[in-house]
Amino acid sequence: NAGVTQTPKFQVLKTGQSMTLQCAQDMNHNSMYWYRQDPGMGLRLIYYSASEGTTDKGEVPNGYNVSRLNKREFSLRLESAAPSQTSVYFCASNEGGNYGYTFGSGTRLTVV
Amino acid sequence: AQSVTQPDIHITVSEGASLELRCNYSYGATPYLFWYVQSPGQGLQLLLKYFSGDTLVQGIKGFEAEFKRSQSSFNLRKPSVHWSDAAEYFCAVGARGSTLGRLYFGRGTQLTVWP
Repeated sequence: NAGVTQTPKFQVLKTGQSMTLQCAQDMNHNSMYWYRQDPGMGLRLIYYSASEGTTDKGEVPNGYNVSRLNKREFSLRLESAAPSQTSVYFCASNEGGNYGYTFGSGTRLTVV
Repeated sequence: AQSVTQPDIHITVSEGASLELRCNYSYGATPYLFWYVQSPGQGLQLLLKYFSGDTLVQGIKGFEAEFKRSQSSFNLRKPSVHWSDAAEYFCAVGARGSTLGRLYFGRGTQLTVWP
């Protein structure tokens, strides 16, 4: 029962480098989300996908892109990393209808 | 627009003492309500949820929460705190009838437990 799997768990990038955070769920959920968590700021929504083939911006989308590759996978890309993107990133999914999220274990990203 | 306020950024209690974490929400109707817990270095785990019916909801790890419509609150309680309850707690709200199912989170309350 894997649930939501995020890779990698830790990453250090230099300013200007690019990388993709991977997220996959095995619960046949329709909706998937990417959040960032910063001290004192709680969880802020970056992008979400209501279904395969659709994506929408959340509260803090600047500097990020996403791809909903199929129903299982939802990736987050940083094209040119900045120190302000140092954060913990969480992927989540649900079946829609507001029955709550299942979260991944997070990716701790440091940009130096 | 929906919003969630957790007024207490940090709470410290002694082991064995009772606990209440506050959550207030803003929403035009009765929402779906959730409490999540995040242990250090971990993801978020669902503690309990309220959809309808009995306003006192029981969750895992001995936690309960009470929905009070008149106060727009959904406070989390535990009669006797254990050291392992030290974590960050997030309240969340979701709209009824939403096909997306997006949740809106408070900023969290950090719980420290003294031995």
